[in-house]
Amino acid sequence: DAGVTQSPTHLIKTRGQQVTLRCSPISGHKSVSWYQQVLGQGPQFIFQYYEKEERGRGNFPDRFSARQFPNYSSELNVNALLLGDSALYLCASSLPRGSGNEKLFFGSGTQLSVL
Amino acid sequence: TQLLEQSPQFLSIQEGENLTVYCNSSSVFSSLQWYRQEPGEGPVLLVTVVTGGEVKKLKRLTFQFGDARKDSSLHITAAQPGDTGLYLCAGAPDSWGKLQFGAGTQVVVTP
Repeated sequence: DAGVTQSPTHLIKTRGQQVTLRCSPISGHKSVSWYQQVLGQGPQFIFQYYEKEERGRGNFPDRFSARQFPNYSSELNVNALLLGDSALYLCASSLPRGSGNEKLFFGSGTQLSVL
Repeated sequence: TQLLEQSPQFLSIQEGENLTVYCNSSSVFSSLQWYRQEPGEGPVLLVTVVTGGEVKKLKRLTFQFGDARKDSSLHITAAQPGDTGLYLCAGAPDSWGKLQFGAGTQVVVTP
């Protein structure tokens, strides 16, 4: 079975631009989470979506938004890019809480560079 | 916000040596997870510890959860170059989808 897939793998943008990152969860997983990992730090939680609804949001500005589609894939959008948005953006999928198997599976991430 | 602090930040050892990585918090966690992340990849779950005082072994890796559930450690015996990576501890306030990670410990094992 395919793991969590993210696209693109690398992206270069300039300040002020907008970017859309994509994630396809493992088949059967309905929960998708997004994380930002700045070089030298651990991942920081951005969003969690389950059944197309936002179930949690981390401490990120409104420039960050996301959505989940009927097939459970997800997009992360970032507007008005800043240099500080340069990071590895990770997507993770899991079975829902209470399923008894809530192991989180991460994709390889999208490396975003803002110039 | 419950913060997780990891130490040391960086560890470089020779193959065959032992090492210990620590994860500490001022708050109680219901459970903690340990991940390993290699360059260009996402974190991969190694173990989840749930009960205070719990010890789990995964081949040459030993994970311990403190009695008060505020700290955890990862011990690697006879480290191998394949153990090289960023080791992250993480806790979840209410859902495993909303993990809080420590900053990580970069481990380098040289032949």
